[in-house]
Amino acid sequence: AQSVSQHNHHVILSEAASLELGCNYSYGGTVNLFWYVQYPGQHLQLLLKYFSGDPLVKGIKGFEAEFIKSKFSFNLRKPSVQWSDTAEYFCAVNSNDYKLSFGAGTTVTVRA
Amino acid sequence: DAGVIQSPRHEVTEMGQEVTLRCKPISGHNSLFWYRQTMMRGLELLIYFNNNVPIDDSGMPEDRFSAKMPNASFSTLKIQPSEPRDSAVYFCASRYAINEAFFGQGTRLTVV
Repeated sequence: AQSVSQHNHHVILSEAASLELGCNYSYGGTVNLFWYVQYPGQHLQLLLKYFSGDPLVKGIKGFEAEFIKSKFSFNLRKPSVQWSDTAEYFCAVNSNDYKLSFGAGTTVTVRA
Repeated sequence: DAGVIQSPRHEVTEMGQEVTLRCKPISGHNSLFWYRQTMMRGLELLIYFNNNVPIDDSGMPEDRFSAKMPNASFSTLKIQPSEPRDSAVYFCASRYAINEAFFGQGTRLTVV
């Protein structure tokens, strides 16, 4: 069975700091990978996705993620965060059986 | 398209009552997911459908939970009887094939 692990439960940082959130998955087959963001009181929205090709994926709002197949990882990064990036971030993995599984989420708090 | 539509947005019910949550997926999407979100457990996949057929319901907590998808444009999640520990935000999501999933606004269920 596939699973998704997000290493950090809660990250607190100041504006302009760099952000990196870890995500590892356990599934040996072909996967599609996603990062979603959930702003307070809202539903999940897609930040970026990886299906194939260039392992460095750029998404909205200055976010990017790097797929490293050998490490089963798909870490999310942003060079300089803003207060408006305060949200919960979810990594998700889709396997061949159409199952879309999410990690536990990482709460990011950006202090002004 | 109006996106994934869930109703009701909020539901407060007494323990023991039946609760029905509704979801209208995006037209043309052929997969539908029901998730439950709580502080303690994060985002849990309850069940998902592909072409209206339930594929995996292993995440359904117990027999009190049931889900149906009678056609491509409608799904229900029913809890009978409801218990206080069922209190959570329930999200419905839909997608086409293995593309990104789009989430509804969620139903916040409170069982008192």
